[in-house]
Amino acid sequence: EIVLTQSPGTLSLSPGERATLSCRASQSVSSSYLAWYQQKPGQAPRLLIYGASSRATGIPDRFSGSGYGTDFTLTISRLEPEDFAVYYCQQYGSSRFTFGPGTKVDFK
Amino acid sequence: EVQLLESGGGLVQTGGSLRLSCAASGFTFTTYAMSWVRQAPGKGLEWVSAIAGSGGSTDYADSVKGRFTISRDNSKNTVYLQMNSLRAEDTAVYYCAKVWSTGYFDYWGQGTPVTVSS
Repeated sequence: EIVLTQSPGTLSLSPGERATLSCRASQSVSSSYLAWYQQKPGQAPRLLIYGASSRATGIPDRFSGSGYGTDFTLTISRLEPEDFAVYYCQQYGSSRFTFGPGTKVDFK
Repeated sequence: EVQLLESGGGLVQTGGSLRLSCAASGFTFTTYAMSWVRQAPGKGLEWVSAIAGSGGSTDYADSVKGRFTISRDNSKNTVYLQMNSLRAEDTAVYYCAKVWSTGYFDYWGQGTPVTVSS
């Protein structure tokens, strides 16, 4: 089973700053099968990025995804107040879905 | 508009059973796999189970295999999760999610809470 590791665990930033979140896989992951989600307290997760770099419908262009193989990155170019949340990466392979442990982006 | 509405959660004793339902609308239900994902209090997301659009193929996380059964009724646009032999560690919010062909969850329900207590 592929294990996903996310870093850092918590990212303390201010609005307007750039956020760079990392997701590392224990084995190579097809880029087609790598996604990122945002979750706010008390809410369901929301799809942000699929196929490692494609934005989901309605997602602002300040969110971008990149990477391949075992290293993937979610970048938020300029943090807006509504972006402070927990972010999860997720992969699919061999009929199994796995999530990373999450990165919390909070206010500095 | 895609909507997923879960129901059936609640408080159950250790060793007991519960059946969750997820009513779907706004898309061609039979075309898509569906999945259950759970989140224990204060924890991250854990995939639980998935079922193909036809219902002919199912998959389970090792943590629930042999205890949980996923099924779907395509005439009712509904997916189910039968949970037996429940343990305290099954306590979580259970989300129903629509699965895109390349294995990501593009729509989620609002979740239904399950509490397993002795």
